[in-house]
Amino acid sequence: SQQGEEDPQALSIQEGENATMNCSYKTSINNLQWYRQNSGRGLVHLILIRSNEREKHSGRLRVTLDTSKKSSSLLITASRAADTASYFCATVDISGNTPLVFGKGTRLSVIA
Amino acid sequence: EAGVTQFPSHSVIEKGQTVTLRCDPISGHDNLYWYRRVMGKEIKFLLHFVKESKQDESGMPNNRFLAERTGGTYSTLKVQPAELEDSGVYFCASSQDSAANNSPLHFGNGTRLTVT
Repeated sequence: SQQGEEDPQALSIQEGENATMNCSYKTSINNLQWYRQNSGRGLVHLILIRSNEREKHSGRLRVTLDTSKKSSSLLITASRAADTASYFCATVDISGNTPLVFGKGTRLSVIA
Repeated sequence: EAGVTQFPSHSVIEKGQTVTLRCDPISGHDNLYWYRRVMGKEIKFLLHFVKESKQDESGMPNNRFLAERTGGTYSTLKVQPAELEDSGVYFCASSQDSAANNSPLHFGNGTRLTVT
């Protein structure tokens, strides 16, 4: 399975601190995507990083991709209570013939 | 633009009954996906439509599940007869192009199905 695995499973930090979540996957990928899910809501797309990219930024979010290690990280800087949510990485196999595959997610709690 | 909408938001049924979930994708999105999350586990792919055609249904657990997308607009997912292990949150998502073509998915809020 090329399923992504997020690490840690749960993370609790103080408001203002940075949060780093990691994702590892098993096969060669076309792209890797990060999503956020607030409790009781659907997943919201955050960032897509292609296999030939190493880093992308979007506001307070920074995503890195290391294809040699088959891993990615999501950094949220200056966290806010509103960032409390579950974060998922998802990958698309390089063949393009498989669906977007999600991991189990990291549950982030930001304490005000 | 209106987002992906799913109906109902919650459904509680008894084992052996039938339930039909509905998804209205974003207008103009040819790609429609169904995913399911069982409590505490990963979000698992069920199937993928391109317009009215099933592009990939490799994730459908068994023949108790039937998905349709007549006319290439909204989609339904029917579970008949429901079993206890079918409980979970069913998500629908749509995208303009496929995920393989670097198109992000837009998700609905999900239908929480409880089978008792």
